[in-house]
Amino acid sequence: QKEVEQNSGPLSVPEGAIASLNCTYSDRGSQSFFWYRQYSGKSPELIMFIYSNGDKEDGRFTAQLNKASQYVSLLIRDSQPSDSATYLCAVRGGTDKLIFGTGTRLQVFP
Amino acid sequence: EAGVVQSPRYKIIEKKQPVAFWCNPISGHNTLYWYLQNLGQGPELLIRYENEEAVDDSQLPKDRFSAERLKGVDSTLKIQPAELGDSAVYLCASSLAGQGAQNIQYFGAGTRLSVL
Repeated sequence: QKEVEQNSGPLSVPEGAIASLNCTYSDRGSQSFFWYRQYSGKSPELIMFIYSNGDKEDGRFTAQLNKASQYVSLLIRDSQPSDSATYLCAVRGGTDKLIFGTGTRLQVFP
Repeated sequence: EAGVVQSPRYKIIEKKQPVAFWCNPISGHNTLYWYLQNLGQGPELLIRYENEEAVDDSQLPKDRFSAERLKGVDSTLKIQPAELGDSAVYLCASSLAGQGAQNIQYFGAGTRLSVL
């Protein structure tokens, strides 16, 4: 079992729709969770981070964390073609190391 | 404020040749990371520095990879000799130390290495 798992996609959504990206992790001691966006050929860029159970909203982005289910998600409302990228879930566990998933490729079509 | 700066952006070498990558972290960031990212994969940590000290190098293939961070600022990652399987993107990241769970890593643009 991988430490951080994501569906590789592609996830295709129409412009204006809600994109839902999901991530599960195996280390129950994980304390902090991050979503990075990576455009093709570019470096990862931090979108959101979350530490507590529940929802955290920032503009069109909402991160959701459920530690009991070891599940973290990212919702993108009013998706735009410019949101088309790979979204990397990263988890910091007890070793303080940041573990990345393989990423989910999102495609937003007009 | 300048971000994490890496050079070169691209490097093409023949196998068995040496190669070096350079990273300048965000000013004031005392933690520096080198990651390897293969196509279609997430970044994987190679080494982490706290100031000049390598505090986690467990994933660094020490037979051919080496890194240094003299004076606790810039860092260099070296591969000697390079193998075909080393073709990947090498990312540098930095963060402020001592923030615990709020430690956020910022990435440079990366160096794309092609070994022929």
